[in-house]
Amino acid sequence: GQSLEQPSEVTAVEGAIVQINCTYQTSGFYGLSWYQQHDGGAPTFLSYNGLDGLEETGRFSSFLSRSDSYGYLLLQELQMKDSASYFCAVGQAGTALIFGKGTTLSVSS
Amino acid sequence: DAGVIQSPRHEVTEMGQEVTLRCKPISGHNSLFWYRQTMMRGLELLIYFNNNVPIDDSGMPEDRFSAKMPNASFSTLKIQPSEPRDSAVYFCASSSPRGLRETQYFGPGTRLLVL
Repeated sequence: GQSLEQPSEVTAVEGAIVQINCTYQTSGFYGLSWYQQHDGGAPTFLSYNGLDGLEETGRFSSFLSRSDSYGYLLLQELQMKDSASYFCAVGQAGTALIFGKGTTLSVSS
Repeated sequence: DAGVIQSPRHEVTEMGQEVTLRCKPISGHNSLFWYRQTMMRGLELLIYFNNNVPIDDSGMPEDRFSAKMPNASFSTLKIQPSEPRDSAVYFCASSSPRGLRETQYFGPGTRLLVL
């Protein structure tokens, strides 16, 4: 079978750094993606890791360790507008993305 | 460029009625995905098409659900008959053959309420 685990909720204050972890169990794995979804909106693509290591895009970074079946999304210099749900998603050979249940991030002032 | 277009944006119907959701992918994208999102089950893949051909429909809940993609610019998801448990937000997404398959562009969704 396949499964993805990520925390359901995370809270932080403006300016802080937060890390959202994702562990997965799947066959035919080829990469880990992250999506952001604001309340009432559609998911939007944030980042992709096909290889082990860190990918940086502005204030956001994403990490993958294939040997540990683990990845994380790191958000720095948090802003109120970062309050949203964050989904990790695994890419599998032969099919489309499988999404985790999402982590709700609440940023307070 | 226009993004993924979905219609209707909201649908309220009664149990037993037929519901048809529509999607226009981004021009030039050759993969199209239908997802359903609920609080309980999260974001679930229902079906995806590549070059208008259904590749994986294992997520389609049951025979009441059907999806078609008659051409590269249009897809439908039909529920017949609808049931209250079908109430959810239905997203359509598309991706480009020239980019990462993992980069999916989502439409605004159709919020379906079955009474």
